[in-house]
Amino acid sequence: GQQVMQIPQYQHVQEGEDFTTYCNSSTTLSNIQWYKQRPGGHPVFLIQLVKSGEVKKQKRLTFQFGEAKKNSSLHITATQTTDVGTYFCAGRSTGGSYIPTFGRGTSLIVHP
Amino acid sequence: DADVTQTPRNRITKTGKRIMLECSQTKGHDRMYWYRQDPGLGLRLIYYSFDVKDINKGEISDGYSVSRQAQAKFSLSLESAIPNQTALYFCATSDIPGLAGGSDTQYFGPGTRLTVL
Repeated sequence: GQQVMQIPQYQHVQEGEDFTTYCNSSTTLSNIQWYKQRPGGHPVFLIQLVKSGEVKKQKRLTFQFGEAKKNSSLHITATQTTDVGTYFCAGRSTGGSYIPTFGRGTSLIVHP
Repeated sequence: DADVTQTPRNRITKTGKRIMLECSQTKGHDRMYWYRQDPGLGLRLIYYSFDVKDINKGEISDGYSVSRQAQAKFSLSLESAIPNQTALYFCATSDIPGLAGGSDTQYFGPGTRLTVL
C-alpha cells in the first residue's frame, strides 16, 4: 500500500534559524496537504499542493511539491516560538483509495 | 461553536471494559474518519465512512468497531479495551474532492485522550 515517509522526526532549532521537513511517497500523488498540530491541540490544515513543481508561500512558510509529484517539503524561515508544534504531510495517491495517507510528522522545538 | 466535537475529551477505563467515543459535526460533510495518534507514529486511520451507508476499515481496525448513526454522527467503540489502546483519538471530516468545488481537506475534532489501565 501507499507509504508516506516524513523526516526528520524531531528538530531542535534556535529561534531565528530555518527549519525544513521533507515528505516522500512510495507512489505518485494527486495532491499533498500539510497540517500543523500545536502541543495539546489537534491537526489544522495549512495548505494543499496539486500541481507538479508547485511552490506556495504563507508568510515565512514555503511549501514545495516535487516535479514527479512524489515528494514535498515545508520550509520555515527565521523560526519563532509560535512555530512550535508537529507538522504533518498527507498525500493522496493518484489511483485506488481516495483516502490521504499521513506521514508520521516532524516535531519542531524552538529554543528562545 | 466548534464544527467537529468529540466526547468525552478524556477517559480512563479498565482492561476489558466496553468504551464508546462519539463524534459530531456541523460542517455538513459526508466523509468522516477515526484516527489514532501515538507518539512517533503519527496519525493512523482506524475506520472511515463516505456516507451513512458506507463503512470501511482503515490501517488498524482490529479491536475497534464504528457506527455511522447519521451524516453528522460517527462513533468509535472498543468492545473490550486493552492497555495498548491507550492513545489520543481524533475524529475528522472532509468534503468530497472535486464535487462542486469540494476539497478533501480534513477537519479534526479536539481529540479524546483514552487511558486503559
